[in-house]
Amino acid sequence: DTEVTQTPKHLVMGMTNKKSLKCEQHMGHRAMYWYKQKAKKPPELMFVYSYEKLSINESVPSRFSPECPNSSLLNLHLHALQPEDSALYLCASSQEGVGTEAFFGQGTRLTVV
Amino acid sequence: AQKITQTQPGMFVQEKEAVTLDCTYDTSDPSYGLFWYKQPSSGEMIFLIYQGSYDQQNATEGRYSLNFQKARKSANLVISASQLGDSAMYFCAMREAVTGGGNKLTFGTGTQLKVEL
Repeated sequence: DTEVTQTPKHLVMGMTNKKSLKCEQHMGHRAMYWYKQKAKKPPELMFVYSYEKLSINESVPSRFSPECPNSSLLNLHLHALQPEDSALYLCASSQEGVGTEAFFGQGTRLTVV
Repeated sequence: AQKITQTQPGMFVQEKEAVTLDCTYDTSDPSYGLFWYKQPSSGEMIFLIYQGSYDQQNATEGRYSLNFQKARKSANLVISASQLGDSAMYFCAMREAVTGGGNKLTFGTGTQLKVEL
């Protein structure tokens, strides 16, 4: 199983809503990532978890709150988002080490209205 | 800080021809990994090929090969015998280890490839 599964695939939320994005992998990877990608732009790293601990937060606003409940799951909790937060949110996982590829999910297309 | 540069926003290639997508990088870390990903319009990032900073030989994976010139800090992707299904956005990326565990994968701005009949 070389899949990273993200749910939901599409999400429309209001600025006062609270929602969560979910990501799951069963490849035994100990590093998991959240990326944000705007249209026609490269993915931008948001968070990195290593062995279920947050190791990188790329100065992401607190309205985005990551959570890694176990080694297979990664969540991104969303609260009080702005329309400019509308984007494709990609989850990825990898083994530790610079020589291993990251496997990406299909992403969640988020629209904030 | 690491930096990845892709200078070709868009490229056209005829079906069955070869095409080279350019990528240069900058890093002070002696240990790093270079990757190419393909992103179709559906959004998923598909891994294509990997080159390690200490690898002596250029990586190849089927129709994909990576022209790695370490002194020039370039890692160009060569796609041979292009197919219509190769039309997509292509990203060059570099990974560096970070303090605290995990590693950081940074992407270039991408090249939109269109394969024509």
